[in-house]
Amino acid sequence: DSGVTQTPKHLITATGQRVTLRCSPRSGDLSVYWYQQSLDQGLQFLIQYYNGEERAKGNILERFSAQQFPDLHSELNLSSLELGDSALYFCASSVGGSSNQPQHFGDGTRLSIL
Amino acid sequence: QQQVKQSPQSLIVQKGGISIINCAYENTAFDYFPWYQQFPGKGPALLIAIRPDVSEKKEGRFTISFNKSAKQFSLHIMDSQPGDSATYFCAASKRNFGNEKLTFGTGTRLTIIP
Repeated sequence: DSGVTQTPKHLITATGQRVTLRCSPRSGDLSVYWYQQSLDQGLQFLIQYYNGEERAKGNILERFSAQQFPDLHSELNLSSLELGDSALYFCASSVGGSSNQPQHFGDGTRLSIL
Repeated sequence: QQQVKQSPQSLIVQKGGISIINCAYENTAFDYFPWYQQFPGKGPALLIAIRPDVSEKKEGRFTISFNKSAKQFSLHIMDSQPGDSATYFCAASKRNFGNEKLTFGTGTRLTIIP
């Protein structure tokens, strides 16, 4: 058990809809990272928050947004969903703000767009 | 410049044998090289990591070998067991003062046969 909690585990919705994925980091970790894992793209970094502030940004679509709250949990919002957004979405956390230190992953949210 | 190339894509090893997975990187500024293990339905779990000031790191049956001049690093699993059957990802990163990220290889599906 990594200590990172993601909810929900599974999400099924339709094209055009909006969903929110939630992540609680390990106790004491200040950074939260979001990744997308699909069969053809592997693990792709989306965005990082450190202590409530955006720290780094990957190839995150404009339809996607995230935030980190004062209690350090984070939410990833996906809107105007398309079939191609079907993937596993992982959250990871680390103690500090730099990406060159251990990141611990949750078990992900499987998003299926019908 | 940010790529990490991983090979092989899949690997079958007999129980008790040595599993070897290789990765190559381009960015000489990378200073953190972790390996992750992922089982179906689970998030990637940090297995072992190395920094470029050492050429080898061993933890139990898992060893990372690092060749800075060749810009390559590899994971060796000694006495491979059926329970090691999983997908393995290498990754690389560097200290970020800006928009840095952990870059993953494309993964190796390892199968240990009796």
